[in-house]
Amino acid sequence: DTGVSQNPRHKITKRGQNVTFRCDPISEHNRLYWYRQTLGQGPEFLTYFQNEAQLEKSRLLSDRFSAERPKGSFSTLEIQRTEQGDSAMYLCASSLDAGFEGNTIYFGEGSWLTVV
Amino acid sequence: AQSVSQHNHHVILSEAASLELGCNYSYGGTVNLFWYVQYPGQHLQLLLKYFSGDPLVKGIKGFEAEFIKSKFSFNLRKPSVQWSDTAEYFCAVNARDYKLSFGAGTTVTVRA
Repeated sequence: DTGVSQNPRHKITKRGQNVTFRCDPISEHNRLYWYRQTLGQGPEFLTYFQNEAQLEKSRLLSDRFSAERPKGSFSTLEIQRTEQGDSAMYLCASSLDAGFEGNTIYFGEGSWLTVV
Repeated sequence: AQSVSQHNHHVILSEAASLELGCNYSYGGTVNLFWYVQYPGQHLQLLLKYFSGDPLVKGIKGFEAEFIKSKFSFNLRKPSVQWSDTAEYFCAVNARDYKLSFGAGTTVTVRA
């Protein structure tokens, strides 16, 4: 499978605990995105990397959230001191910088987080 | 920043009926337009995309969409739906900042 890979697929955690999600993008894709999706809503942009550089962060990404892409390949999204409002699907996506018209974004299967 | 509006929250129709899902966006500049589909229990998949050229684009599984620039619309159509088209459909837009902005989605239920 050469698609975007995410793990774990499901995570149940107690409020206040830290969680980390991993994303492996499509090989050679230099752009990587994190989105969050809640029931009944479309995905909302969280952050975006070009290679290892984090170029944009949404206002949705509070100080408890941190994302890294240390070598420009896989990425991690960590949520510290989780709250019930963090319960959502966290989606990773990637694309190849082929210019504006070539920038099709491909999504992974997502990581479901439930905070109890 | 751009925003995307999908007209219908939930559409229910019978097999062989025609489907049209509305999508409008607000952004005055050049955009790329997408429809993604999410089948039950599966991840978001690209259905079709518009970058430039012919405003009528064809995608997978018999879907097509028409870009009408003057109306800021990108409506999705399928002449005859099948039960397997039951899914959630998302319209998305990106401007030159590359990130996608999604609509809230439309749930389509096709009755056999």
